[in-house]
Amino acid sequence: NAGVMQNPRHLVRRRGQEARLRCSPMKGHSHVYWYRQLPEEGLKFMVYLQKENIIDESGMPKERFSAEFPKEGPSILRIQQVVRGDSAAYFCASHSSGTNQPQHFGDGTRLSIL
Amino acid sequence: GESVGLHLPTLSVQEGDNSIINCAYSNSASDYFIWYKQESGKGPQFIIDIRSNMDKRQGQRVTVLLNKTVKHLSLQIAATQPGDSAVYFCAPGGGATNKLIFGTGTLLAVQP
Repeated sequence: NAGVMQNPRHLVRRRGQEARLRCSPMKGHSHVYWYRQLPEEGLKFMVYLQKENIIDESGMPKERFSAEFPKEGPSILRIQQVVRGDSAAYFCASHSSGTNQPQHFGDGTRLSIL
Repeated sequence: GESVGLHLPTLSVQEGDNSIINCAYSNSASDYFIWYKQESGKGPQFIIDIRSNMDKRQGQRVTVLLNKTVKHLSLQIAATQPGDSAVYFCAPGGGATNKLIFGTGTLLAVQP
């Protein structure tokens, strides 16, 4: 029973390039969340999506960041024109339908900006 | 806004002892709480959860206590093992979107 799968595990980009992070939720999960973690800090909520819908993007920076969860395929977190401050670990989590369901996390993508 | 804090950023215990990790939260409307364990280079791993209509829940070697009056949770780990060494987070969730609010975490260091 595969867990949440994220790829790539490590991603290196130069300033100004685009970064695409992928997340496949656990089988049967239709609720996906993205979080960002800076070194020695807790995770910070970014966005919550269901299939083809963004439900809550209150944690997303207003510019350069976007997320999608298409009907088919993984959820994508896209960062355009990356800057040094985007360097962080980005985690995806998913849960099944129903209230108060625990979120299960992937092992993250570590983004480094040169 | 919501904030979550931990009383002890680092906890060092001897192998075999019991560990208690504390957590305070600020939003009295929080109705669902999860404890996660995060090892270096990995994502948070679900340990145990508790809903606001409960004040205690037990799992395998772990117990979570919830005191809604003072907005405090604790995670008790019995017979702590070296494999328990990690950063532990409590994360209030629930609500319309179930987004989780993480504090800084507590580093549990188990001494052999």
